[in-house]
Amino acid sequence: SAVISQKPSRDICQRGTSLTIQCQVDSQVTMMFWYRQQPGQSLTLIATANQGSEATYESGFVIDKFPISRPNLTFSTLTVSNMSPEDSSIYLCSVDRGGGLGYTFGSGTRLTVV
Amino acid sequence: GIQVEQSPPDLILQEGANSTLRCNFSDSVNNLQWFHQNPWGQLINLFYIPSGTKQNGRLSATTVATERYSLLYISSSQTTDSGVYFCAVGQGGKLIFGQGTELSVKP
Repeated sequence: SAVISQKPSRDICQRGTSLTIQCQVDSQVTMMFWYRQQPGQSLTLIATANQGSEATYESGFVIDKFPISRPNLTFSTLTVSNMSPEDSSIYLCSVDRGGGLGYTFGSGTRLTVV
Repeated sequence: GIQVEQSPPDLILQEGANSTLRCNFSDSVNNLQWFHQNPWGQLINLFYIPSGTKQNGRLSATTVATERYSLLYISSSQTTDSGVYFCAVGQGGKLIFGQGTELSVKP
């Protein structure tokens, strides 16, 4: 079953800057998913990343704000651009392990924008 | 889109007590999982249970897909069980989360 390494685990960033979050999976997967968890809230899907094609964004999320790269079947990045304090959240990546095992998540990136 | 509702939103228990958490969903799903989010924010997968019953130590879960609900049972609760429990359902290749149940177990 897939194991995900996500980094950075946390960061404090100045408003107006950008942060790129990386997820590395230890096996090839077709789709990778990026979620946001705002303080005290549940997880919301940002986008689905397929290798070799543009990511598919959920309603309320746009590529200019959250550009995603998927250069191969084991790696993806999410960039949070032109950050404001409202972007302070936990960001998590996820993959479907298949074989009736369900989805697994990276350990998350706790972002604080000041 | 599909709605996922969890109850109760908050729960306070004395150590050793038992509890039942509920998850209702509004449409057919091909996946249902229960997660525990610890105080450090890490999501721990508890059960993959689109139907039927599973047990893992003090935890067990039951999903009745035809009636669109799932239950998570915690027996003999411990302080380390504290955190937020999420139910998430899969539809169309996406995992959709409920709002969670925040559990606090007091010593």
